[in-house]
Amino acid sequence: QSALTQPPSASGSPGQSVTISCTGTSSDVGGYNYVSWYQQHPGKAPKLMIYEVNKRPSGVPDRFSGSKSGNTASLTVSGLQAEDEADYYCSSYAGSNNFEVFGGGTKLTVL
Amino acid sequence: QITLKESGPTLVKPTQTLTLTCTFSGFSLSTSGVGVGWIRQPPGKALEWLALIYWNDDKRYSPSLKSRLTITKDTSKNQVVLTMTNMDPVDTATYYCAHSKLLEGFDPWGQGTPVTVSS
Repeated sequence: QSALTQPPSASGSPGQSVTISCTGTSSDVGGYNYVSWYQQHPGKAPKLMIYEVNKRPSGVPDRFSGSKSGNTASLTVSGLQAEDEADYYCSSYAGSNNFEVFGGGTKLTVL
Repeated sequence: QITLKESGPTLVKPTQTLTLTCTFSGFSLSTSGVGVGWIRQPPGKALEWLALIYWNDDKRYSPSLKSRLTITKDTSKNQVVLTMTNMDPVDTATYYCAHSKLLEGFDPWGQGTPVTVSS
């Protein structure tokens, strides 16, 4: 069982927006502004999409945005495109002992 | 351009020790703030963080696997090595290494290397 809780699936039509949640505790998501989101296409390595809650690495479209409220972080994908269909994982710094924890992943389907 | 590539055995027997090597280019593991982490993913399952080593040789381990893991670095060879003892079939997974800068996430990742634990 993963430390962070994500919905197993999410979906939306092209052009729509979809939000994926990531729920942790005050010891991880709620305690630090170090939440990351990764996109993983089948058979491929994960790709960093968001770091430090809401920052985008160079090259990531601004359709991807992140936010956090309390112990829950969220990834929003706006203007859905077919290539956004993938698995998405959140992760959070969890202090010097646990260090890094991942969510169980969410499969995003573009209808 | 930063690249990383994992290497190691694809098949290990139960109770054996797994040794994986991450060979990287495009950055130095002697640069302040830089680290290399290991993450695994069992078939059809979620990512699991395993270990991380920083430029200053600070090492972090997953609490649930700490007794079985050792991470080391060879700065001159641009390599990071992960060893996992007492392998079990539940350790069957694709193992990834990834570049990290402070707590800014893992970016980029290597292509991953599949490891099967079976007798």
